[in-house]
Amino acid sequence: AQSVTQLDSHVSVSEGTPVLLRCNYSSSYSPSLFWYVQHPNKGLQLLLKYTSAATLVKGINGFEAEFKKSETSFHLTKPSAHMSDAAEYFCVVSLSASKIIFGSGTRLSIRP
Amino acid sequence: DVKVTQSSRYLVKRTGEKVFLECVQDMDHENMFWYRQDPGLGLRLIYFSYDVKMKEKGDIPEGYSVSREKKERFSLILESASTNQTSMYLCASSFWLADNYEQYFGPGTRLTVT
Repeated sequence: AQSVTQLDSHVSVSEGTPVLLRCNYSSSYSPSLFWYVQHPNKGLQLLLKYTSAATLVKGINGFEAEFKKSETSFHLTKPSAHMSDAAEYFCVVSLSASKIIFGSGTRLSIRP
Repeated sequence: DVKVTQSSRYLVKRTGEKVFLECVQDMDHENMFWYRQDPGLGLRLIYFSYDVKMKEKGDIPEGYSVSREKKERFSLILESASTNQTSMYLCASSFWLADNYEQYFGPGTRLTVT
């Protein structure tokens, strides 16, 4: 069965320090993988996507993610956190147009 | 810019009322989705539509129905609202492409059923 696990429900970092949001997936074949961000009272916005091209994917606002097939992981990173990064982040596995699986989300807090 | 709009940001309804949530997209997307978002549960698919008048049940369709009479508009209907349907409802749309299912989301409707 396909699934997505976001390993942390809440991550708190200081402004200017690195961010790591962890995501593991389970799939019988190589899926498309996405990270979306949701700021308070807003809809979800695409951060980045992996669709079987380069394994290191760069997204908006300085975020990037690395697809590691051997570890079935797609962790999201950013070298230096900014206050505006405070939001909820969702890791998503897409197997087909109608089979899209969302992780439970990671809330990122930034300490001044 | 793709735009997905939802008819209301906040809605308060009474138990037993029939509730309509409307979603409109302006990018000629084939696919449209209705999700429900609850804390700690991520997004759960209620219904999916891949063409006008075509629909598929998602993971939690009970108590909901949908209508897609025009390509750009996808409506979610709560036949008889109940308090356990209090939630955030998100609409999304996407192209029908083989390996790219990027979705575009509306701002959400926060529904409270009292």
